[in-house]
Amino acid sequence: EAGVAQSPRYKIIEKRQSVAFWCNPISGHATLYWYQQILGQGPKLLIQFQNNGVVDDSQLPKDRFSAERLKGVDSTLKIQPAKLEDSAVYLCASSLVVSGQGVGQETQYFGPGTRLLVL
Amino acid sequence: AQSVAQPEDQVNVAEGNPLTVKCTYSVSGNPYLFWYVQYPNRGLQFLLKYITGDNLVKGSYGFEAEFNKSQTSFHLKKPSALVSDSALYFCAVSPLTNRLAFGKGNQVVVIP
Repeated sequence: EAGVAQSPRYKIIEKRQSVAFWCNPISGHATLYWYQQILGQGPKLLIQFQNNGVVDDSQLPKDRFSAERLKGVDSTLKIQPAKLEDSAVYLCASSLVVSGQGVGQETQYFGPGTRLLVL
Repeated sequence: AQSVAQPEDQVNVAEGNPLTVKCTYSVSGNPYLFWYVQYPNRGLQFLLKYITGDNLVKGSYGFEAEFNKSQTSFHLKKPSALVSDSALYFCAVSPLTNRLAFGKGNQVVVIP
């Protein structure tokens, strides 16, 4: 079974530029997550999709970050304009929604991440 | 709001010795608890989780974790550490809503 795919793996940009990250979840997984992992910290959830609908975007800085999952499969996360503090690893994860189970029980499977450096 | 504490920044252990990585949590209601491992330049890999039932959970690569409700802890253990276990370990807690809250992580160094 193929895992979660992400691209690019690395990106270097200057502040105020824009950048986009792509994620393809595990086939059949309805729920997709974007996390931000700053060096020395654990991942922090930015946004959660179920199919193509947003479930939770309460921690997404909406003035500069946006995300979409138009066909309920792959997803794009965009930052515009980037700031120095956006330097981090951006992780995508997916999970399988199983009818009848509490959502919190689901295992999330992570991609390799995109390492962003903003200069 | 849920939170996780991993009190040690780094855990050093000799190869062949028991490995323990500590985790305490705070959450409203019944907790769902997870351990993930992260190798350099890799994403997080799932090790094990506690949902309900037996307090001792067995996972991948010989790891296990013990859920202790009274101490609100979920420590990760391995009876005999390998050099290849050297990595960053994250504990995470989730309530019903599935927003995982991660700890800051523990660097494990297994010394040959």
